[in-house]
Amino acid sequence: DTGVSQNPRHKITKRGQNVTFRCDPISEHNRLYWYRQTLGQGPEFLTYFQNEAQLEKSRLLSDRFSAERPKGSFSTLEIQRTEQGDSAMYLCASSLQENTEAFFGQGTRLTVV
Amino acid sequence: DQQVKQNSPSLSVQEGRISILNCDYTNSMFDYFLWYKKYPAEGPTFLISISSIKDKNEDGRFTVFLNKSAKHLSLHIVPSQPGDSAVYFCAASVCLSAGNNRKLIWGLGTSLAVNP
Repeated sequence: DTGVSQNPRHKITKRGQNVTFRCDPISEHNRLYWYRQTLGQGPEFLTYFQNEAQLEKSRLLSDRFSAERPKGSFSTLEIQRTEQGDSAMYLCASSLQENTEAFFGQGTRLTVV
Repeated sequence: DQQVKQNSPSLSVQEGRISILNCDYTNSMFDYFLWYKKYPAEGPTFLISISSIKDKNEDGRFTVFLNKSAKHLSLHIVPSQPGDSAVYFCAASVCLSAGNNRKLIWGLGTSLAVNP
């Protein structure tokens, strides 16, 4: 297992288009987190899953954002009708239920033009 | 309201010297603290953590100190190396409910530059 994997690494899209990102967590990790990070800021929590259940969603996650983890393994984050303000690094992390250390993927850099 | 504060946005240190990165928090319910290191265009990498029942945790060149009464923690890197140059994030963890659900609250980060 090489750790948390995110695809794609970079995505450039036109405003109004839909985008989908994928995250493959560390295989034995029950928890999966999505964060967003903009320049000069710490990671902002978006949502997290315990197995396939989405347990918490940040108020930052507008109706245009949806996340799924259908089989409790990989997860997808979809942004519909993208806006320029959605441009950011989207980070995925996973952790074991009992631990609090979260291990991050390399992120997906989204640029909305 | 920033519950986890890293008041120094940047720090410059000479190679071989000690780097001290500081973090303050406001929520007394935080019971676990973590430091992450982030290189440009990469995700944060876990570095070291400390439980609120301890006041010190050491791992090689990295030591984290926790002062609960002052709600302050610090990360010491000794000796500092040029490869340590990165952004360092402090994060605090709080248990949300009886179901062992936890949330990480992040600081804004401190950019460390270690000069050869």
